[in-house]
Amino acid sequence: QVQLVQSGAEVKKPGSSVKVSCKASGGTFTTYVISWVRQAPGQGLEWMGGIIPFSGTRNDAQKFQGRVTIRADKSTSTVYMELHSLTSEDTAVYYCARGGHYTASYSGWTGAFDIWGQGTAVFVSS
Amino acid sequence: QSVLPQPPSASGTPGQRVTISCSGSSSNIGSNSVDWYQQLPGSAPKLLIYNTNQRPSGVPDRFSGSRSGTSASLAISGLQSEDEADYYCAAWEDSLNHWVFGGGTKLTVL
Repeated sequence: QVQLVQSGAEVKKPGSSVKVSCKASGGTFTTYVISWVRQAPGQGLEWMGGIIPFSGTRNDAQKFQGRVTIRADKSTSTVYMELHSLTSEDTAVYYCARGGHYTASYSGWTGAFDIWGQGTAVFVSS
Repeated sequence: QSVLPQPPSASGTPGQRVTISCSGSSSNIGSNSVDWYQQLPGSAPKLLIYNTNQRPSGVPDRFSGSRSGTSASLAISGLQSEDEADYYCAAWEDSLNHWVFGGGTKLTVL
């Protein structure tokens, strides 16, 4: 069974960037959509964007376009999410999640998130 | 404000049946399947229902999902204390080409 293991908590200054990793183990990785979802303290879930490691195809939520970089390293089965120009409003727990399975006839983007990482807390404060 | 409004809270006593609603539009729930996630305190979300009414392996049949037009519902029958959690609906939004979530419903088992 695939597991997603994320990097540890981060404390950042406003204006800086944070990079969170999500390493897959135990199964197929490259042909599934890997998305990033964040949750601010006491708030709901927010989709940030995702990537299909097989092709490198990305889809970033409008809100984060230009500020988020999602990339995949197939050799290490790891997906990275980097968020730039941090403000206190970016304080949240960031999750990676496995979505749909990409095939020649299905993009995979609309598949449910069946496996989640444990979450990475990012705290932004001066 | 969430794209998919949900009631902020719901409650029931053990053994009761509870439903949680999720309201959308023609560009999300009205044209795409709905997924539901359960989030226990301090944990990552867990997939509860996918493709509107399908349960992943291991999810009890006490949980069921349905859709009518541009709204969806999650029903929990035979309520148990361990069902106390936050529940989120999610759907693909065609106009934005990305995922949208409901604001979440906190379920309390009295």
